Amino acid sequence: AQSVTQPDIHITVSEGASLELRCNYSYGATPYLFWYVQSPGQGLQLLLKYFSGDTLVQGIKGFEAEFKRSQSSFNLRKPSVHWSDAAEYFCARPSTDKLIFGTGTRLQVFP
Amino acid sequence: NAGVTQTPKFQVLKTGQSMTLQCAQDMNHNSMYWYRQDPGMGLRLIYYSASEGTTDKGEVPNGYNVSRLNKREFSLRLESAAPSQTSVYFCASSSRSRGSEETQYFGPGTRLLVL
Repeated sequence: AQSVTQPDIHITVSEGASLELRCNYSYGATPYLFWYVQSPGQGLQLLLKYFSGDTLVQGIKGFEAEFKRSQSSFNLRKPSVHWSDAAEYFCARPSTDKLIFGTGTRLQVFP
Repeated sequence: NAGVTQTPKFQVLKTGQSMTLQCAQDMNHNSMYWYRQDPGMGLRLIYYSASEGTTDKGEVPNGYNVSRLNKREFSLRLESAAPSQTSVYFCASSSRSRGSEETQYFGPGTRLLVL
């Protein structure tokens, strides 16, 4: 079955440091992939999405993600993390009529 | 636009009680979804509605029923609440003009505690 895996449950970084959150997807024809962010006590907000074309995708809040078919990955990156980026991040992919979510990575940012 | 709205925001139930979670969207979206979020498990789909008048089971439908009242509204009902249904419930919608790869927009969630 198609799925996404987020290997890191919890990541801690210092403010100003770079960030990379990992997402791996299982087999499937041209995957569509999403990254969502959930701030504490809030719903999910779309950060970016990949459908086709350029493998480096720019999103909101200074985030980007790179699709690498050879590694079955769609990792999320940010060059300099801000304290307001502390949240939970979900990778997702569509399957039939619905989205399949990873289990999430919780990001903690230290000043 | 309010986007996706959910009521109530918080609810405490006793085992065996029933309740309905309400969801509405004002984006003229065709598809609507109900998810539950539990620690370490991400979001799991309970039910979805690909269009007005249709509903389908998701990954974890047991103990729930849904109604797509009209294009705007999609409710989730717990007929006899159980402690295992303690969770955060999210409603989402999408235009689904290109299939399931369309962006889903989420409501703020309903936090439910079943004692």
